[in-house]
Amino acid sequence: QKEVEQNSGPLSVPEGAIASLNCTYSDRVSQSFFWYRQYSGKSPELIMSIYSNGDKEDGRFTAQLNKASQYVSLLIRDSQPSDSATYLCAVISGAGGTSYGKLTFGQGTILTVHP
Amino acid sequence: DGGITQSPKYLFRKEGQNVTLSCEQNLNHDAMYWYRQDPGQGLRLIYYSQIVNDFQKGDIAEGYSVSREKKESFPLTVTSAQKNPTAFYLCASSIARTGGAGETQYFGPGTRLLVL
Repeated sequence: QKEVEQNSGPLSVPEGAIASLNCTYSDRVSQSFFWYRQYSGKSPELIMSIYSNGDKEDGRFTAQLNKASQYVSLLIRDSQPSDSATYLCAVISGAGGTSYGKLTFGQGTILTVHP
Repeated sequence: DGGITQSPKYLFRKEGQNVTLSCEQNLNHDAMYWYRQDPGQGLRLIYYSQIVNDFQKGDIAEGYSVSREKKESFPLTVTSAQKNPTAFYLCASSIARTGGAGETQYFGPGTRLLVL
């Protein structure tokens, strides 16, 4: 099982729709979770961080965390063509030893928003 | 402006050659990281450093070396021992490696390494 796994893409949604991106993780003691957006040929940029169970909203973006199910998601409301990018889920390990504090990335989900 | 800079943007390596990628930050961050990204894949950790003059191997350190002589700088050398170096190399930094919001990593623009 991969440490951080994202739903397979690519994901295509029409402009104005809600895009839902999902991520599961294997480390039960992980405490910090991040979503990054990466445009083609560019570096990742941070969209959201979430640390507690529940929802966290920032503009059109909502991150949802369920530690019991080891699941984190990102919802993008009113999707725009400019949201078309690869979305990376990243989790910081809470395990001991050299893995402590390590940021592990999922493989990414490609999102396309079509007009 | 505060940020992370990487140079060059593109780098070409000949077989048997060592090349060095530059990473500089003026964010006053203690921790710095190097990642490698291959097409269609997530990021894999090469090396990280939590303080000056100290660094640790990541998951794929073989064929790479680093130094951390200054807080602002964390150069990565891709040695001739790295047989498949073609990739997108990303440098990142954070306030600290562990501890709440201080863990948040911010990325530089990246260097794309190609083999001639």
